[in-house]
Amino acid sequence: EAGVVQSPRYKIIEKKQPVAFWCNPISGHNTLYWYLQNLGQGPELLIRYENEEAVDDSQLPKDRFSAERLKGVDSTLKIQPAELGDSAVYLCASSSYSSNEQFFGPGTRLTVL
Amino acid sequence: QQQVKQSPQSLIVQKGGISIINCAYENTAFDYFPWYQQFPGKGPALLIAIRPDVSEKKEGRFTISFNKSAKQFSLHIMDSQPGDSATYFCAAGGLSGSARQLTFGSGTQLTVLP
Repeated sequence: EAGVVQSPRYKIIEKKQPVAFWCNPISGHNTLYWYLQNLGQGPELLIRYENEEAVDDSQLPKDRFSAERLKGVDSTLKIQPAELGDSAVYLCASSSYSSNEQFFGPGTRLTVL
Repeated sequence: QQQVKQSPQSLIVQKGGISIINCAYENTAFDYFPWYQQFPGKGPALLIAIRPDVSEKKEGRFTISFNKSAKQFSLHIMDSQPGDSATYFCAAGGLSGSARQLTFGSGTQLTVLP
C-alpha cells in the first residue's frame, strides 16, 4: 500500500512569492490533515478535511494561506505571499473515518529567503 | 485547554538502558494518546497508542503508562538501541467525530549511545 505522497520535497522561494504544496493521501482515507512543523517543535494542525469539506480551519492564517481538496482525494495548500516566518516543514497526513490513526507524508521543507 | 506538555526536550541513554519520556495533557475530553517517532527528513510514524480505559500497553520494547487522574502518560523504551535514536512526539486527541484530530507535544530528541 502506497503511503501519503507529498511534493515537492523541498522548495526555496523569495519572500512575497507564492508557493503551493500537493498531497495525495492513502487510498480510501477520507480525512486529510495539513500540519505545520517548525524546527524542534511538534506538528501543529492547519486544516482538516472530511472528504472535500474543510471541517476545522481555525488555525489556518486565511489572509495568506488557502487550501482545497477538490473531489475529496488529493489536496493543495497555497501560501501567497510567503513571508520569512513561513519557513518550516509542511506535513500532510490522512486517516480513515473509523480511526484517528494518522499516517504522515515526508513533508515539504519550505525556505523563504 | 488544548496543550500537551512533553519532557525532557532531549535525552541521552546508553545502549541497553531505559528511555523514559513524559507527557501531560489538560483536556479531559481526550480519549486517544499516541506516540509518534520521527527520523530526520521523514514524517512522524505511529509507534504505539493507548486509550484511557487501560493503565498500560506494551508492544515489544515500547510501553505506554497512563495515569488518568494525573492526566499524564509516558513512553518507556526498554533495552534502548542506537536505531531508536530519533525524535519522539506524544499526542492527544479524540477518536470520533469532530474530535478526530491530534494535539502534539513539543518533542523529545533521543540519542542512544553505542
